[in-house]
Amino acid sequence: QQQVKQSPQSLIVQKGGISIINCAYENTAFDYFPWYQQFPGKGPALLIAIRPDVSEKKEGRFTISFNKSAKQFSLHIMDSQPGDSATYFCAATAGTASKLTFGTGTRLQVTL
Amino acid sequence: EAQVTQNPRYLITVTGKKLTVTCSQNMNHEYMSWYRQDPGLGLRQIYYSMNVEVTDKGDVPEGYKVSRKEKRNFPLILESPSPNQTSLYFCASGKAGGTQYFGPGTRLTVL
Repeated sequence: QQQVKQSPQSLIVQKGGISIINCAYENTAFDYFPWYQQFPGKGPALLIAIRPDVSEKKEGRFTISFNKSAKQFSLHIMDSQPGDSATYFCAATAGTASKLTFGTGTRLQVTL
Repeated sequence: EAQVTQNPRYLITVTGKKLTVTCSQNMNHEYMSWYRQDPGLGLRQIYYSMNVEVTDKGDVPEGYKVSRKEKRNFPLILESPSPNQTSLYFCASGKAGGTQYFGPGTRLTVL
């Protein structure tokens, strides 16, 4: 049973465009929602994270939108750049358990 | 430099030959975990440890063992590897309930 569903599987965006990746979760106990960015040959690295007490968090060109009632959250990358080309994973965890449940990943390609 | 290290980075082995992948972190984190990454399946947790001598199964523990005798080390042991354990493995560490930091990965091929 996949507890975090991520879409799309792959995404091609032109330079300067907006990249949007969506995730939906089932477990209402989840209370921490990080996004990880992974470049080829590297381990995932934390990009941005949100807790459900806010509906949006912005860090530079990256924004998480969170809809608690719909159990959905999304990553928006504004002004997408070729250097943003990577695989993005959403994840969720509950309390102090630290067990991260990951989505299946989105491979983003930003073209010139 | 704060980091998680894994060794080896690449390993090709044969079915049934016991192997160990080491993981070490220098950030004094209580929590450590192993994941495997497979195309289309994302990252799935194998085992995790909340502290020294405390380990528990993740989502896909079959065929794997771990130990946590020291806070900084968390080796992954495959007693009798099989081809379906061919994968990309990541070790991670972090504080309980917080950000996890991933190692560079170990690409394992079991023939």
